[in-house]
Amino acid sequence: DAGVTQTPRHEVAEKGQTIILKCEPVSGHNDLFWYRQTKIQGLELLSYFRSKSLMEDGGAFKDRFKAEMLNSSFSTLKIQPTEPKDSAVYLCASSGTGGLTGQLYFGEGSKLTVL
Amino acid sequence: GDSVTQTEGLVTLTKGLPVMLNCTYQTTYSPFLFWYVQHLNEAPKLLLKSSTDNKRTEHQGFYATLHKSSSSFHLQKSSVQLSDSALYFCALSDPYYGNEKITFGAGTKLTIKP
Repeated sequence: DAGVTQTPRHEVAEKGQTIILKCEPVSGHNDLFWYRQTKIQGLELLSYFRSKSLMEDGGAFKDRFKAEMLNSSFSTLKIQPTEPKDSAVYLCASSGTGGLTGQLYFGEGSKLTVL
Repeated sequence: GDSVTQTEGLVTLTKGLPVMLNCTYQTTYSPFLFWYVQHLNEAPKLLLKSSTDNKRTEHQGFYATLHKSSSSFHLQKSSVQLSDSALYFCALSDPYYGNEKITFGAGTKLTIKP
């Protein structure tokens, strides 16, 4: 079975640009997560979808970060406008437990560098 | 709110030695605890999970026991290998909230030297 697929793996953006990161969850999984990973802050939740409904929008990330789940097999994370402090690895994860506690399956991440 | 504490940010060991990575937590409910491992430039993967008090769980030579009395879920291995060099995350999930509320620790970077 295919795991979680994230594209692009690497993205370099100028400050102020709009970038879109993409995620395909494990087929049949109905929970999808976006995390930001940095050495200082560790894993920070950006968004959580359950059956395509946004359940958690990450509070502090609302202003310039927007995640969408257009269908059960595809999600995007838009950052607009980008700032140098957004440089991080963005991880997508999915789970097949219908909201109940379960194992997360992570993608390899999209490494964003904002100049 | 819930919290997970991993006291060691960096651990460096020589191959063949034992290791224990600390994980303690705070929560109101009876939680699920997880250890995830992330090798360099790879996706984090589940290593261990448990919700049963005082029961040892093992996988790939690693083991951990959930102790609710001390709110701990320390990760151990009796003899580390070079391939164990990775970032290790402890995570907690409240069954009441399920996947809606997962709390990760800051992570421990384990480096194994020859």
